[in-house]
Amino acid sequence: TQLLEQSPQFLSIQEGENLTVYCNSSSVFSSLQWYRQEPGEGPVLLVTVVTGGEVKKLKRLTFQFGDARKDSSLHITAAQPGDTGLYLCAGAGAAGNKLTFGGGTRVLVKP
Amino acid sequence: DSGVTQTPKHLITATGQRVTLRCSPRSGDLSVYWYQQSLDQGLQFLIQYYNGEERAKGNILERFSAQQFPDLHSELNLSSLELGDSALYFCASSVSGRTYGYTFGSGTRLTVV
Repeated sequence: TQLLEQSPQFLSIQEGENLTVYCNSSSVFSSLQWYRQEPGEGPVLLVTVVTGGEVKKLKRLTFQFGDARKDSSLHITAAQPGDTGLYLCAGAGAAGNKLTFGGGTRVLVKP
Repeated sequence: DSGVTQTPKHLITATGQRVTLRCSPRSGDLSVYWYQQSLDQGLQFLIQYYNGEERAKGNILERFSAQQFPDLHSELNLSSLELGDSALYFCASSVSGRTYGYTFGSGTRLTVV
């Protein structure tokens, strides 16, 4: 069974600060995806990383896939209140179909 | 609007009852996935259908079943409901059987009383 552990579980910061969310596993994934979920809504895909060591940037968000494809991080620079939400990482196994989700990191950015 | 439509949005029912949740995938997507999200378990994979056929199964209870119809919409049937089945049920879709990203619907919140 593949497991993904996210840390921290909860993060509260002031607007303008930086934050990093970690996603770790002992399993290798064919791809790793990050989603953001807001209350009452389904998760929304932010990015997919496929190659070990890959770094992707989406405005103030930077995503990194570990060299061994077992872990990932999400870094937000100069966080804004609009970044508030539940951040979920999800890994796809060798078959590339079903995703295993981490437990999520709840981020609160205070103005 | 993500393009994935789930109905109903809310459902309240009694223990022992049976309910059907419906999902219409995004146009052009052939795969449908069902997930259950509860506070203590997070998002748990239930089942995947690809172009009408079951492709993968996760932690789906025997009381639960699903199918995908020729028009690609899918239904998740939950029977003999228990209090512990109360959760958010999400449907997601992707173009192929292999995903580089799901598109999720807004979910159905099921409350069993």
